[in-house]
Amino acid sequence: KQEVTQIPAALSVPEGENLVLNCSFTDSAIYNLQWFRQDPGKGLTSLLLIQSSQREQTSGRLNASLDKSSGRSTLYIAASQPGDSATYLCAVRKDYGGSQGNLIFGKGTKLSVKP
Amino acid sequence: ETGVTQSPTHLIKTRGQQVTLRCSSQSGHNTVSWYQQALGQGPQFIFQYYREEENGRGNFPPRFSGLQFPNYSSELNVNALELDDSALYLCASSLGSTGAHSGNTIYFGEGSWLTVV
Repeated sequence: KQEVTQIPAALSVPEGENLVLNCSFTDSAIYNLQWFRQDPGKGLTSLLLIQSSQREQTSGRLNASLDKSSGRSTLYIAASQPGDSATYLCAVRKDYGGSQGNLIFGKGTKLSVKP
Repeated sequence: ETGVTQSPTHLIKTRGQQVTLRCSSQSGHNTVSWYQQALGQGPQFIFQYYREEENGRGNFPPRFSGLQFPNYSSELNVNALELDDSALYLCASSLGSTGAHSGNTIYFGEGSWLTVV
């Protein structure tokens, strides 16, 4: 059974710091991995999608890496800003070898960036 | 703005009642999935619809049911509500296909907050 774990559960940093959020998964047979952002009481906003054949994806100050064989992904946020404060969720999509699987989520990392 | 809209945004129901939640997917997206997110938890997969047919289901009882319409909008129905059904219900859409890999991004709506009292 696929399990997704995110560490740390919560993180507080001063503005301007570079930071890394971690995601690990137990079954390497994934189709892709997606990072989401969730603001309090809101839905999920997709940040980055990494296909299983890729090693990393970048968007602005965000960089996500994927090491499928070790079951790990990291989300790197450069020069953090108070507006980055949110919960960050990692989700893997199972590989059924011919059709899409559903997303399996971690519990998220709650990030607080202090001015 | 993801193009996925859900209604209602908030509602309160009594234990034992029935509820219907609605989702309008992003234009052109033929795959809709529903997730339940309890406070402090990650979303849990309920089921997925592709071209009006259910093609995947998570570990939820049969009192959770759904529909997808020809325009790809969707409904989630929950019968005999229980207190533990209180959660944020999220709808997600994507452009999918069966029999061939599709690595497209999944887009989520803002969710419907359900409180069962």
